[in-house]
Amino acid sequence: QGLLQESGPGLVQPSHTLSLSCAVSSGDVSDVSYYWSWVRQPPGKGLEWIGYFHSSGSTSSNPSLRSRVTISIDTSKNQFSLRLTSVTAADSAIYFCAREEVTTSLFDLWGQGAQVTVSS
Amino acid sequence: YVLTQPPSVSVAPGETVILTCGGQDIGRKSVHWYQQKAGQAPVVVISHQGYRPSGIPERFSNSQSGNTATLTVSEVEAGDEADYYCQVWETRYVIFGGGTKLTVL
Repeated sequence: QGLLQESGPGLVQPSHTLSLSCAVSSGDVSDVSYYWSWVRQPPGKGLEWIGYFHSSGSTSSNPSLRSRVTISIDTSKNQFSLRLTSVTAADSAIYFCAREEVTTSLFDLWGQGAQVTVSS
Repeated sequence: YVLTQPPSVSVAPGETVILTCGGQDIGRKSVHWYQQKAGQAPVVVISHQGYRPSGIPERFSNSQSGNTATLTVSEVEAGDEADYYCQVWETRYVIFGGGTKLTVL
């Protein structure tokens, strides 16, 4: 079991909502030193930043996805989550959760990734 | 803001290879580099400040100036074959380069 572990459905129907969670076993999602982030990688393509949530309530997301993305944290479970609405086949990808240092923007810790396919 | 990396680079074992990452005034930004081997998650190979995680050898070094940042791999080994991504922070947004596939001949 890794220090960050993604979980969620591997198959999502078009127009539905993709929901993933990331369990944190190294550190605390309340730690102000980090942003809790999501990055995805479509098949055969490069990395695409999705967005982050900070324990202060600050968030930011990729302008190309902003209207469809919600990232949140659950301090009671020490995990954070991603919701992506109105998905299409173009949202099929490996979704990585990652920890990003606030001061340097370095992604110092990554989950192993969760494959999500959008298909009916 | 766009980061430009060549899609692929090939190198013979034992040689030195320089991977580039182009961007407007990138020399003024904090640039981090990640290595992603086939079927695995990315890992930090070297941070802007020169931090290398345990397990990453000193053969990996970085520099930047003007509109180009570079990752230099000296004495390339077969195990260095991977995709390499540069990354910056730009006014609240994270930007990744398109990645370079390093092939060891």
